[in-house]
Parts: sequence; C-alpha cells; structure tokens
Amino acid sequence: ETGVTQTPRHLVMGMTNKKSLKCEQHLGHNAMYWYKQSAKKPLELMFVYSLEERVENNSVPSRFSPECPNSSHLFLHLHTLQPEDSALYLCASSQDRGAGGENTQYFGPGTRLTVL
Amino acid sequence: AQSVAQPEDQVNVAEGNPLTVKCTYSVSGNPYLFWYVQYPNRGLQFLLKYITGDNLVKGSYGFEAEFNKSQTSFHLKKPSALVSDSALYFCALAMDSNYQLIWGAGTKLIIKP
Repeated sequence: ETGVTQTPRHLVMGMTNKKSLKCEQHLGHNAMYWYKQSAKKPLELMFVYSLEERVENNSVPSRFSPECPNSSHLFLHLHTLQPEDSALYLCASSQDRGAGGENTQYFGPGTRLTVL
Repeated sequence: AQSVAQPEDQVNVAEGNPLTVKCTYSVSGNPYLFWYVQYPNRGLQFLLKYITGDNLVKGSYGFEAEFNKSQTSFHLKKPSALVSDSALYFCALAMDSNYQLIWGAGTKLIIKP
C-alpha cells in the first residue's frame, strides 16, 4: 500500500463541516481516480484525472469537489455532506487514463467517512 | 450494456480445500477482466488480469483465473485455501473504449480452519 497513500484513514464530520481527503501516489502514474464504496454495492467511479485535467465526472453532487494540483496528488474537498455520503472513499492511480489493456489501477487504503 | 455478475454473496471453504469464486460478464466485444481483493479496513489490491492470449492467468498469492469465452466467465481459483485468504473479492471488466471499470458487487470469502 505504499504505492498509493490516503489521509486521513478515518474521518467523522458534521453536515455543516468542510473537510478534505488527500491522496498521493508514488508510482509515477499519469491518471488518478476517486471511487466511493458503499456496503453491498459495486464501486462507484466519481472522478478521473489525467495529467491533472479532469476527464470524467460521473454526475457527482457539487458538495464533492476534486482538485488535482499535480500528477502525484489528488484531493477531494467535502462540504455540507449528507449522512448517505458516509462510505469508504478510495483513491486509485494508473499509468495512463483508461481501464483496458496494460493499464492497471492501483488503490490506496481508503478513507472511512462518517457524516453525522 | 456491459455488466459483471458475482452470483455468490459469500463462499465458505475449509482450509486446505480448493476454492472458486465465480464471475460472469456480459459485453459486446473483447473484454479485459480483473480480480481484486480487499482485506478488512484496507483498500483494493490487484490480484490478476486477463488481456489476451492464454486463458489461464496466474496472479498473486497463488491465485489463478480462467477466461472462458463461451461461458462468459472468469472464475478465480486457488488449489489450497488459507485462512489468510479470507477477504472480499471483486471481479471487474474493462473495454478499450472508455475509462471505467465495471465492477461486480463482491464476494465474501471465508476460509475456516
């Protein structure tokens, strides 16, 4: 798990708070991803960045705001979340954007988010 | 539409026995297929993937998977299960045409001593 790191590992926040999740990849990859994992549901892709440019936004509510200042770092800014946003948020990276061929996504350990 | 199905929510296997975690898929075209494992309170770890060529793919921790085009399946197997294999296993599918992995809902594997 040293390839992709995420902080914090656990976060509890109120509905009116503002917080940020951080992801860092040490693999020299060009693409980074945010996923949401809820119990008994398939992983949901939220955002995709390629060379710091957002290339995918899967109809995610505006209370989630991503930021990719460089190809090694990815943030997810959170504000006015709802209790149903409680989930495990996973960051991943891959050499290039896309999921096929030789491109493999590697995941961080996730941030367990609880919204009260 | 592309989809991945993991028909079993949970699989129970005795330690030392062979294990199989099932995955079937539906696509138009040739897919790339993946298996990931998630241990408690951890992120997903890549196990193996099928791109093309040999239908039997070998991966990490002694796991392997067989691509069967006629049955549209990609079952994960291991000849002798370990208690430490207990985890959540995800099958996923990708196509060249888009960025997204299509994920199964996951199968909880429990290996009993």
